Amino acid sequence: QKEVEQNSGPLSVPEGAIASLNCTYSDRVSQSFFWYRQYSGKSPELIMSIYSNGDKEDGRFTAQLNKASQYVSLLIRDSQPSDSATYLCAVLFTGGGNKLTFGTGTQLKVEL
Amino acid sequence: DAGITQSPRYKITETGRQVTLMCHQTWSHSYMFWYRQDLGHGLRLIYYSAAADITDKGEVPDGYVVSRSKTENFPLTLESATRSQTSVYFCASSGLGLAGGLAKNIQYFGAGTRLSVL
Repeated sequence: QKEVEQNSGPLSVPEGAIASLNCTYSDRVSQSFFWYRQYSGKSPELIMSIYSNGDKEDGRFTAQLNKASQYVSLLIRDSQPSDSATYLCAVLFTGGGNKLTFGTGTQLKVEL
Repeated sequence: DAGITQSPRYKITETGRQVTLMCHQTWSHSYMFWYRQDLGHGLRLIYYSAAADITDKGEVPDGYVVSRSKTENFPLTLESATRSQTSVYFCASSGLGLAGGLAKNIQYFGAGTRLSVL
């Protein structure tokens, strides 16, 4: 069973701080990794994708991938109350067609 | 409007009734997916489709039926609804792009259908 694991949280950070969200996965040959943000009562929306080892930055968001250790992380700099949401990690496993396997999500709360 | 739309947004039904949830996308994406989301379980794949007339089971297919006669539509039917099928259902679609040998599949989600089975 291929798995994607996340700490459910909630992760609480003060406004302006860096929020660090982590995700581990079980298959070494996975190629594509995604972070989705989901506000309460809404649908998931893609915020970052990463395909190779290293860091990928987009505005206040940085995705980090370490395939040897089988983890992917999301850093949110200068966290804002509007970042309060559940963050879903998703992995495209090799041989799985176009299917993504999702973690259960980490709830982030950014406090004023 | 372009995008992916689900209908209805909310549905209340009774056990034993047949219910169909609709999903329509305008991107001509090859792949379409149905998920259910329940507290503590995250998103679980029910069925997916790689193209018109091609469908396959996901993680939790029991009690559900799908069809895909046209690329843009992917309805999900609960043949005889049960209380355990009370959930939020999301439809998603993705294209298949290749760059440097890697498939860069991004799934885009509809707004969801909140289904209650009484």
